[in-house]
Amino acid sequence: GDSVTQMEGPVTLSEEAFLTINCTYTATGYPSLFWYVQYPGEGLQLLLKATKADDKGSNKGFEATYRKETTSFHLEKGSVQVSDSAVYFCALSVKAAGNKLTFGGGTRVLVKP
Amino acid sequence: ETGVTQSPTHLIKTRGQQVTLRCSSQSGHNTVSWYQQALGQGPQFIFQYYREEENGRGNFPPRFSGLQFPNYSSELNVNALELDDSALYLCASSNRDLGQNTEAFFGQGTRLTVV
Repeated sequence: GDSVTQMEGPVTLSEEAFLTINCTYTATGYPSLFWYVQYPGEGLQLLLKATKADDKGSNKGFEATYRKETTSFHLEKGSVQVSDSAVYFCALSVKAAGNKLTFGGGTRVLVKP
Repeated sequence: ETGVTQSPTHLIKTRGQQVTLRCSSQSGHNTVSWYQQALGQGPQFIFQYYREEENGRGNFPPRFSGLQFPNYSSELNVNALELDDSALYLCASSNRDLGQNTEAFFGQGTRLTVV
């Protein structure tokens, strides 16, 4: 079946540090890939997405590149802020599965001033 | 805000009871998916409703059931509650007619505690 594996947290960083969160996947079809963010007490918000190999999704300074050869979709940000403290989820969807989202376990990021 | 609203926001139930959670989808959306997010874990797909029909189900027992109404709002019903049902329940609204890559918008969730 489909699955997503992402690095466990928590990840603790200082402000302006570089952030990388690793994500790898297995999928029965050709997936679309997503990063969602969850701030404390809130639901999930789509951060960025990529729909085919070598696509780069980007938003709010975050980037992730769809790597089909390594089945990966790592999230990066060059300079984090305290406001980036949240839980980040990597996810995939496959059309044959009705576009349901399959999520990784989440990575908590804490940015200290 | 996404325009997807869930009610109630918090709920405490006793083991063995039944619960109904509600989700109002975003205007123009015809698809609602429900997810269970246990503490410290990623959301797990429960089922999806598309144009009032169940359209896909995850690995959840039959005591988890749902409905979608003509206005595309939805309910999640859980019978015979167990302690392990304690979780954040999220609904996601989308328009499946727009294809695979259409964005799903999440509500803020209902926090269910079973005691």
